[in-house]
Amino acid sequence: EAQVTQNPRYLITVTGKKLTVTCSQNMNHEYMSWYRQDPGLGLRQIYYSMNVEVTDKGDVPEGYKVSRKEKRNFPLILESPSPNQTSLYFCASSLGRAGIQHFGDGTRLSIL
Amino acid sequence: GENVEQHPSTLSVQEGDSAVIKCTYSDSASNYFPWYKQELGKRPQLIIDIRSNVGEKKDQRIAVTLNKTAKHFSLHITETQPEDSAVYFCAALNTGFQKLVFGTGTRLLVSP
Repeated sequence: EAQVTQNPRYLITVTGKKLTVTCSQNMNHEYMSWYRQDPGLGLRQIYYSMNVEVTDKGDVPEGYKVSRKEKRNFPLILESPSPNQTSLYFCASSLGRAGIQHFGDGTRLSIL
Repeated sequence: GENVEQHPSTLSVQEGDSAVIKCTYSDSASNYFPWYKQELGKRPQLIIDIRSNVGEKKDQRIAVTLNKTAKHFSLHITETQPEDSAVYFCAALNTGFQKLVFGTGTRLLVSP
């Protein structure tokens, strides 16, 4: 089954404790993105990647890092999480830039 | 960069009525406009999209119209049903900048 898999689905952690949210897709898509969803603000792009070893900032990249060492994986790293990063995060992949975005099930992060 | 405004933020209709959600975009170079539906607790999923070389596209009860001159596009849902209740997001993509920018979402409630 074609899918985008995120882990964990839920995480409660404390300020400053490094965490990684994994994202994996099995559709051989080149384009992958991370979004955060906040009430009243919609979906805002954090980082995107057009292919292996090619990443670029989205609209709200501060406080986040990503890597794309393999085509299927695109982890999101919060080196020193802060409470303002409490949000619902979605990973997405697509075949090319203007392709249909396939979203994962989301990761709800709470930073205390 | 691109900016997408979406209205209304909430929309309540009776079952069987029509619903219209409107979006405006700022970058005239944007050329791909998808609409996503997000049911409560679920991931966003594409329901319809339109490219800039087309003025209108229809899929059963759902249609999207695009006015490139005015830089706005709309989602039309006819004969609404309770299962249409969800949050709907519009988005605009400038393939040159490879970034998909989402609107802030419209919560549609269809009452039986």
